[in-house]
Amino acid sequence: GQSLEQPSEVTAVEGAIVQINCTYQTSGFYGLSWYQQHDGGAPTFLSYNALDGLEETGRFSSFLSRSDSYGYLLLQELQMKDSASYFCAVPSGQAGTALIFGKGTTLSVSS
Amino acid sequence: GAVVSQHPSWVICKSGTSVKIECRSLDFQATTMFWYRQFPKQSLMLMATSNEGSKATYEQGVEKDKFLINHASLTLSTLTVTSAHPEDSSFYICSARDTSGYTYNEQFFGPGTRLTVL
Repeated sequence: GQSLEQPSEVTAVEGAIVQINCTYQTSGFYGLSWYQQHDGGAPTFLSYNALDGLEETGRFSSFLSRSDSYGYLLLQELQMKDSASYFCAVPSGQAGTALIFGKGTTLSVSS
Repeated sequence: GAVVSQHPSWVICKSGTSVKIECRSLDFQATTMFWYRQFPKQSLMLMATSNEGSKATYEQGVEKDKFLINHASLTLSTLTVTSAHPEDSSFYICSARDTSGYTYNEQFFGPGTRLTVL
């Protein structure tokens, strides 16, 4: 089966850079996704990596190393509104199937 | 991006009653939708995969007779929690993929339904 490990909490100040790591164990690999969830809200898609390397989308970047079964989400120029839970996720089976989520990392950004 | 809605957004019911939650894809067709459950401060746990026109596929440990799923059209899936008990109180979230565009790898989540069973 699939399992993912990520830190439970991260704290930072506004303007800082934070990296949230995710290691995974999967039977077959079909990409690593990152989602953001604010309290009481729905998860929103941040990024997807299928190949090794860095994907950049504005202040957020995501990295993947398939040989290390490892990825990270990099958040730059942190803002208070970035305080949320961040989940890494992999497909439960082939690409496009349901997602299996990590336990989530709660990011707290202070001023 | 594609939009998924859920109704109701929250519901409070008495123990033993049944509650139906609707999940709709508003601007795309979804042959497959997914239902997740999330307890406070925990991750999303996949409950079942809802397939249009066929039976849902349930994850291990999820009672199919308790959590009835119907996917009668390409834009609507429903989850009915039958004979709800306080331990069923949770945040139920559905998701779907829009396979028609360029967001193939992205799942779009509904806003969730918070169920409280008294």
